[in-house]
Amino acid sequence: RKEVEQDPGPFNVPEGATVAFNCTYSNSASQSFFWYRQDCRKEPKLLMSVYSSGNEDGRFTAQLNRASQYISLLIRDSKLSDSATYLCVVRDSGYALNFGKGTSLLVTP
Amino acid sequence: EAQVTQNPRYLITVTGKKLTVTCSQNMNHEYMSWYRQDPGLGLRQIYYSMNVEVTDKGDVPEGYKVSRKEKRNFPLILESPSPNQTSLYFCASTPVGEDEQFFGPGTRLTVL
Repeated sequence: RKEVEQDPGPFNVPEGATVAFNCTYSNSASQSFFWYRQDCRKEPKLLMSVYSSGNEDGRFTAQLNRASQYISLLIRDSKLSDSATYLCVVRDSGYALNFGKGTSLLVTP
Repeated sequence: EAQVTQNPRYLITVTGKKLTVTCSQNMNHEYMSWYRQDPGLGLRQIYYSMNVEVTDKGDVPEGYKVSRKEKRNFPLILESPSPNQTSLYFCASTPVGEDEQFFGPGTRLTVL
């Protein structure tokens, strides 16, 4: 089975901090890469896609290194509302998604 | 409102009593999928469907059945539930050619 590995955390950070999550994947033929956000007991929701050129959406920056099979997510100026579990997700061929087990983030006042 | 709905949202049942969890999407998506989420294991795909009458096994299909008679509906059937099927279940859909999958709100199933 193709693996997606991420540090489960939890990451406890104060408001305003910068926090980085990392993820590695085992299938070098993987085609698409994402970060999903999941709030407690709720459905996962797409946070952002990840591209080799790197991409930014407000306080969130995602990077992909295909050579190292490594994906990262950087959150700047953390807000209380950023507290959630962040899922690293990889799509191989077809439409099936391979999920990491998630990294838990808690932002404290 | 574009959405994926699941019913029931919560269910407690007993071993061996057949049950169906319904999933419906109103976005005309071709691809639909079922996942289960367990502590420490993440989300794992059970079954998926590329379109009407086309279904295939995911990573953990044992003990489950699905059908896709209409594009909008993709029910998950447990013919004889067992305690190891106690889990949080998510249905998801996506249009062909797109990457983002839209998830339903989840069904929390407990099998005693």
